[in-house]
Amino acid sequence: AQSVTQLGSHVSVSEGALVLLRCNYSSSVPPYLFWYVQYPNQGLQLLLKYTSAATLVKGINGFEAEFKKSETSFHLTKPSAHMSDAAEYFCAVSSNTGFQKLVFGTGTRLLVSP
Amino acid sequence: DSGVTQTPKHLITATGQRVTLRCSPRSGDLSVYWYQQSLDQGLQFLIQYYNGEERAKGNILERFSAQQFPDLHSELNLSSLELGDSALYFCASSVVAQNTEAFFGQGTRLTVV
Repeated sequence: AQSVTQLGSHVSVSEGALVLLRCNYSSSVPPYLFWYVQYPNQGLQLLLKYTSAATLVKGINGFEAEFKKSETSFHLTKPSAHMSDAAEYFCAVSSNTGFQKLVFGTGTRLLVSP
Repeated sequence: DSGVTQTPKHLITATGQRVTLRCSPRSGDLSVYWYQQSLDQGLQFLIQYYNGEERAKGNILERFSAQQFPDLHSELNLSSLELGDSALYFCASSVVAQNTEAFFGQGTRLTVV
């Protein structure tokens, strides 16, 4: 079975500060990993994905994530937070074999203060 | 705009009733997924269809059922509704059956009173 753990249900940063959202995964097969963002009253939007190519993945809105197999981690970072980054962020894991579903973490709400 | 359309956006109904949620996937996508998002359970995978056939099942209650039609749109049927079924229901679609990238609709917010 696959699972992801997101550390911290809420993360607060100041505008311009580094954003770091943590995600650790568990998977018995090579995983596909995703970060999605959900703005209030909106659906989920894909930020970036790892599908066994480059371990450092760049996404939209200046976000990036690094796949670290030894640490089973896929943390999301952004060098400088913007007020518009305030949202809920979900890490998800899937597999490249068979008809595998996306398994989501519990989400991390990012708060950005001026 | 993800290209995935869900209707209705909001639905209020009474306990014991039956409702149908509709999803139109992105043009060209053959795979449709249904997810339930609630405060206590988070985002839960319900069911996946690929080109009209059921491909994977998650934590879907027996009172719930889904289907994908020849034109690839999908419907999620929820019956004998309970207060605890109140949630945001998302549909997502992808080109292939495997989850390399799924695009989500805006969701249907179901409130059971």
